Amino acid sequence: QVQLQESGPGLVKPSQTLSLTCTVSGGSISSGGYYCSWIRQHPGKGLEWIGYIYYSGTTSYTPSLKSRVTISLDTSKNQFSLKLSSVTAADTAVYYCASAPAPNPFFFDYWGQGTLVTVSS
Amino acid sequence: EIVLTQSPGTLSLSPGERATLSCRASQSVSSSYLAWYQQKPGQAPRLLMYGASSRASGIPDRFSGSGSGTDFTLTISRLEPEDFAVYYCQQYGSSLFNFGPGTKVDIK
Repeated sequence: QVQLQESGPGLVKPSQTLSLTCTVSGGSISSGGYYCSWIRQHPGKGLEWIGYIYYSGTTSYTPSLKSRVTISLDTSKNQFSLKLSSVTAADTAVYYCASAPAPNPFFFDYWGQGTLVTVSS
Repeated sequence: EIVLTQSPGTLSLSPGERATLSCRASQSVSSSYLAWYQQKPGQAPRLLMYGASSRASGIPDRFSGSGSGTDFTLTISRLEPEDFAVYYCQQYGSSLFNFGPGTKVDIK
């Protein structure tokens, strides 16, 4: 069974870049078996999909964040990462990594536990 | 962009009662592209249903999904204490995903 675990700083200063990593176990990212996504949840609010990456390097990002987001892969470490630039307090949220099954990535079947990132000086 | 609306915002019911949750899309959605999740406080969401009506692995059969086009429903036939949570619908289209705002099922 696939397991995902987020890691990264819990506090980021405004205007800086938020960087998180998701480590995948129980499966290989390079197998092409799933799409690797990032999803966030503002405190007390609903879920917002940020974007995904496939082992081929194909990416897709939500339009509202596209100009600030980069998702990348490190297949040697079985990890994928999120970078969100020019953060503000509005980017304070719990960030989840999740996987969607290939070749039909229509839903998220595995999730990490989530990590809270606070944007504050 | 397809917008998902969920109703009601909060559903107050007692254990053993039937829960009916609605998810409405602003445009027609393929049933294959509609999923439901359950989220409890402090936990990650858990996949309940995919393809509108297929239960995910390990999900009890008191959960069922139905619908097509713009109207989808998640039904919990008899609420168990562990079912009190927030439920989200989610749709996929054009390599993008979005979620509904959620329905909270709380204890009456």
